Amino acid sequence: TQLLEQSPQFLSIQEGENLTVYCNSSSVFSSLQWYRQEPGEGPVLLVTVVTGGEVKKLKRLTFQFGDARKDSSLHITAAQPGDTGLYLCAGANTGGFKTIFGAGTRLFVKA
Amino acid sequence: DTAVSQTPKYLVTQMGNDKSIKCEQNLGHDTMYWYKQDSKKFLKIMFSYNNKELIINETVPNRFSPKSPDKAHLNLHINSLELGDSAVYFCASSHDRGRYNEQFFGPGTRLTVL
Repeated sequence: TQLLEQSPQFLSIQEGENLTVYCNSSSVFSSLQWYRQEPGEGPVLLVTVVTGGEVKKLKRLTFQFGDARKDSSLHITAAQPGDTGLYLCAGANTGGFKTIFGAGTRLFVKA
Repeated sequence: DTAVSQTPKYLVTQMGNDKSIKCEQNLGHDTMYWYKQDSKKFLKIMFSYNNKELIINETVPNRFSPKSPDKAHLNLHINSLELGDSAVYFCASSHDRGRYNEQFFGPGTRLTVL
């Protein structure tokens, strides 16, 4: 069974600080996605990484896929209160319909 | 022009009742899903349909029965509701069997069983 472990589970930081969220697995995935979920809403896709070692940037967010395609990280620079939410990583495999989700990291950015 | 919509948003009901949740997507996707998110926010797949055909059934109790009348709709019927069914249920869709399987989620239905 493929599993994705996220750390930390909870993170409370001050506005302006940097942070990194990790997503690890013992399994290889064809692609890995990051979603953000706000209270009362469904998860929204932020990015998909597909190549080992790939780095993608989305404004202050930097996503990296591990060389072996088993892990990923999300780094936020100068966090803002608007970044508050639940961040979920998810792994998918070519030809399959099943996406495996991590348990999520709850981020709270204080003004 | 909502991409994935679900109704109702909230559902409060008594144990033993039967209820349905409806989902529609206007993205032209071929695959639709039902997920359950528990109180700890863990998102777990329940069912997946591709072109109206059931392709994933993750050992969900028989009380849960999905139905896909066409590619744009996937409904979830739950019989004999139990306390443990209380959760947020999300419908999602994706564009066919691709390398990425990127999911587009609906706003969720919060089910509370009393």
